[in-house]
Amino acid sequence: QKEVEQNSGPLSVPEGAIASLNCTYSDRGSQSFFWYRQYSGKSPELIMFIYSNGDKEDGRFTAQLNKASQYVSLLIRDSQPSDSATYLCAVNKRGSTLGRLYFGRGTQLTVWP
Amino acid sequence: DTEVTQTPKHLVMGMTNKKSLKCEQHMGHRAMYWYKQKAKKPPELMFVYSYEKLSINESVPSRFSPECPNSSLLNLHLHALQPEDSALYLCASSRSIRAPGRSYEQYFGPGTRLTVT
Repeated sequence: QKEVEQNSGPLSVPEGAIASLNCTYSDRGSQSFFWYRQYSGKSPELIMFIYSNGDKEDGRFTAQLNKASQYVSLLIRDSQPSDSATYLCAVNKRGSTLGRLYFGRGTQLTVWP
Repeated sequence: DTEVTQTPKHLVMGMTNKKSLKCEQHMGHRAMYWYKQKAKKPPELMFVYSYEKLSINESVPSRFSPECPNSSLLNLHLHALQPEDSALYLCASSRSIRAPGRSYEQYFGPGTRLTVT
């Protein structure tokens, strides 16, 4: 079982729709969850992080964390073509080697006009 | 400001060359990381420095040699690389390795695109 799994996509949504990206993780003790956006040929950009159960909103982005079910999701409202990118989910593990994050393989999102 | 800078942006080197990648941050972060990323794969952790000391070496071949001269700078020295080492090399930093009960967020630099010929 992989540490972090994401629906690999590709996910394609029309402009203005809600894009929903999902991530599950294997370690019930994980406490830190991150979403990175990566445009083709560029480096990952941190867009959201969440530590507590529930929702965290930042502009058009909402991160949702459910520790009991061991999943974290990212919702993008009013999707724009500029949101087209690969979204990486990253998770720590309780007691893991210092500083290590576990990355999913990423979900490729395409927002079409 | 969450800027991490890396130089050079692109590097082409032969298998007998010696080169260095540089990374700098001025956010007062005390943890710095080197990652390697191949196309369509997630970043792979190579090294972690905490307070200028090497904390993690992910069994990286010795042809990669990290160095942390001070809290703002991180270098990766390259020697006798192989074509399969061609990748995007990413530097990242965070406030520290770990906060009580959680991990701090990591900020990535723009990366160095390395091609080994």
